[in-house]
Amino acid sequence: DAGVIQSPRHEVTEMGQEVTLRCKPISGHNSLFWYRQTMMRGLELLIYFNNNVPIDDSGMPEDRFSAKMPNASFSTLKIQPSEPRDSAVYFCASSRDYTYEQYFGPGTRLTVT
Amino acid sequence: RKEVEQDPGPFNVPEGATVAFNCTYSNSASQSFFWYRQDCRKEPKLLMSVYSSGNEDGRFTAQLNRASQYISLLIRDSKLSDSATYLCVVQSDRKTSYDKVIFGPGTSLSVIP
Repeated sequence: DAGVIQSPRHEVTEMGQEVTLRCKPISGHNSLFWYRQTMMRGLELLIYFNNNVPIDDSGMPEDRFSAKMPNASFSTLKIQPSEPRDSAVYFCASSRDYTYEQYFGPGTRLTVT
Repeated sequence: RKEVEQDPGPFNVPEGATVAFNCTYSNSASQSFFWYRQDCRKEPKLLMSVYSSGNEDGRFTAQLNRASQYISLLIRDSKLSDSATYLCVVQSDRKTSYDKVIFGPGTSLSVIP
């Protein structure tokens, strides 16, 4: 039974480059979350989708960040242009409606130099 | 005041010890509570839900105190494998269409031989 799949697992890029992170939620889950985790700020919710619709994007840091969910089995988080302060681990999580347990993917470790 | 607060630790305890973590939350309308566990460089995973009447799962006991707005996690007979960061999670009022999930900053536990 596949869990949440994220790619790439590691990404190293130079400042100013575009970065795209990908997520495939668990089949049948209709809620999807993007988080960012750093030592300083802990785990921060960036955006939440329900049935492919963005419900809460108040955690998205600024216009450089955008997220899409074109269908129930795929979501992307894009950073353009990237900056060194974007370096963090980005997690995607999904959950079934009304059960609230979130299943996290393995994360993407992003380093912006 | 942060919405969810935890003692960051680290808690360093010997094998076999009993250790307790507390987590406080600011939104009195919060309805759902969870403890997640995160191993070093891994994704968070659900440890247990916290019910109003308290609940136990083997060596782990979770309690909720609504009057004082805190939840606790007790680990008995701690094992080396319990070493991890424990994240408190609070979900807001179910009466709204969107139940915002907030992760605490985590408490680090190291069990030493």
